[in-house]
Amino acid sequence: AQKVTQAQTEISVVEKEDVTLDCVYETRDTTYYLFWYKQPPSGELVFLIRRNSFDEQNEISGRYSWNFQKSTSSFNFTITASQVVDSAVYFCALSDGGATNKLIFGTGTLLAVQP
Amino acid sequence: DAGITQSPRHKVTETGTPVTLRCHQTENHRYMYWYRQDPGHGLRLIHYSYGVKDTDKGEVSDGYSVSRSKTEDFLLTLESATSSQTSVYFCAISDRGRGFDTQYFGPGTRLTVL
Repeated sequence: AQKVTQAQTEISVVEKEDVTLDCVYETRDTTYYLFWYKQPPSGELVFLIRRNSFDEQNEISGRYSWNFQKSTSSFNFTITASQVVDSAVYFCALSDGGATNKLIFGTGTLLAVQP
Repeated sequence: DAGITQSPRHKVTETGTPVTLRCHQTENHRYMYWYRQDPGHGLRLIHYSYGVKDTDKGEVSDGYSVSRSKTEDFLLTLESATSSQTSVYFCAISDRGRGFDTQYFGPGTRLTVL
């Protein structure tokens, strides 16, 4: 069975600190996709990134970076020089990429960035 | 912007009453999904649709039914609402036929069952 674990329930940092959000997944599939979504206080879900299981290259987008390691089944998300606007709940999710593309979500990490 | 709207955005209802939530999309996406979000659980899949009149159950489908008579609309019905169905409901779309495997979400509906 597929499973996503986000062990960090809440993280609090001060602005300009770097912060890493952990995501560990379980799957028996050889082909799968990993995602990160952001849910700001306004409540909408914002897509951040998608990674497929064949692409282990790390990705950087501005202050955001993602580290995908198949050896440890992890897909961690780092925010560099955090800002108050980064305060949100962040969800990691897994899809088997099969016919239905169903997503399995982690329970989310609440990030609070203090000014 | 994936062109997804949900209605109503907020609803308060009483136990035992039927409730229908609507998801509307404007971009002809084939796949549509209903999730519920609860503290400590993240988002969990209720039902999904892979075309008009083609639907299937997700992880937490008990007490819910869905219908899709048109590509653009996916309805979620609680036949007899219970307090355990108090939640935030999100609709999502993806269009894998065009190579898009990412799901994009609507704004959500907050449902309170008293």
